[in-house]
Amino acid sequence: GQNIDQPTEMTATEGAIVQINCTYQTSGFNGLFWYQQHAGEAPTFLSYNVLDGLEEKGRFSSFLSRSKGYSYLLLKELQMKDSASYLCAVTGGATNKLIFGTGTLLAVQP
Amino acid sequence: DAMVIQNPRYQVTQFGKPVTLSCSQTLNHNVMYWYQQKSSQAPKLLFHYYDKDFNNEADTPDNFQSRRPNTSFCFLDIRSPGLGDAAMYLCATSRGSDSYEQYFGPGTRLTVT
Repeated sequence: GQNIDQPTEMTATEGAIVQINCTYQTSGFNGLFWYQQHAGEAPTFLSYNVLDGLEEKGRFSSFLSRSKGYSYLLLKELQMKDSASYLCAVTGGATNKLIFGTGTLLAVQP
Repeated sequence: DAMVIQNPRYQVTQFGKPVTLSCSQTLNHNVMYWYQQKSSQAPKLLFHYYDKDFNNEADTPDNFQSRRPNTSFCFLDIRSPGLGDAAMYLCATSRGSDSYEQYFGPGTRLTVT
C-alpha cells in the first residue's frame, strides 16, 4: 500500500526554525515534493528531492533519505506569512502520480 | 506568463444539477490532472490525461467524468453533484515522463446547495 505520514499541526515562533517531518511507504519512488498551501488557495511548489541529501533554497531546505523513507522540510527565520499547510507528496511509478500526505498545519506566532 | 488557469474560481450548483469545471494551460504540458480536496484533507487524484490517454483512479466515482479536447484544455464534468462533492477542485499539469513537478492552478471551490 501507499502511506505518507506527517504531523497534523505544529506551532512555532516568528524568527525561529521549524522542522516538519514526513515518512513514506510507497510502491514506487521517483521523487518527493514539498508544497505550501495557504487556506483556500492552491498548493505552490517548494522543493523536490530525488537523491539523498539536503537541498537548500533560501529560507527553506528539504532533506531526503530514501533508505529510511524519510524527509523533512526546514524553515528558517520564520515569518508570519509562513503560516500555512505544508504538504509532503511522493511520486512513483510510470504514471507520475502524486500521492499527498494530509499536510502539516503550521501556525507561526509573534 | 505561462500558467494554469481555472474557471470559475467559485461555482455554486444545485443538488443533482450537472456542472462543468474548466482548466486551461499555456505551458504546453503533456499531462493534466484533476484533484479533489476537501477541507483539511490532502488533495485526492481523480484522474489524469497523458496527451489523449485517459487514466481513471480506481476509486473515482462514475459521477465524475473528464474531457480533454486539445492540449490546452481539460474539463471536469460532475453529472449529478451530491452534497458530498462540495470541495476544492485542483487542476495540475506536468511536462511528462522527464519532469515530475506538477504545476497547480488556483482551484475552483464548488458549493452544492
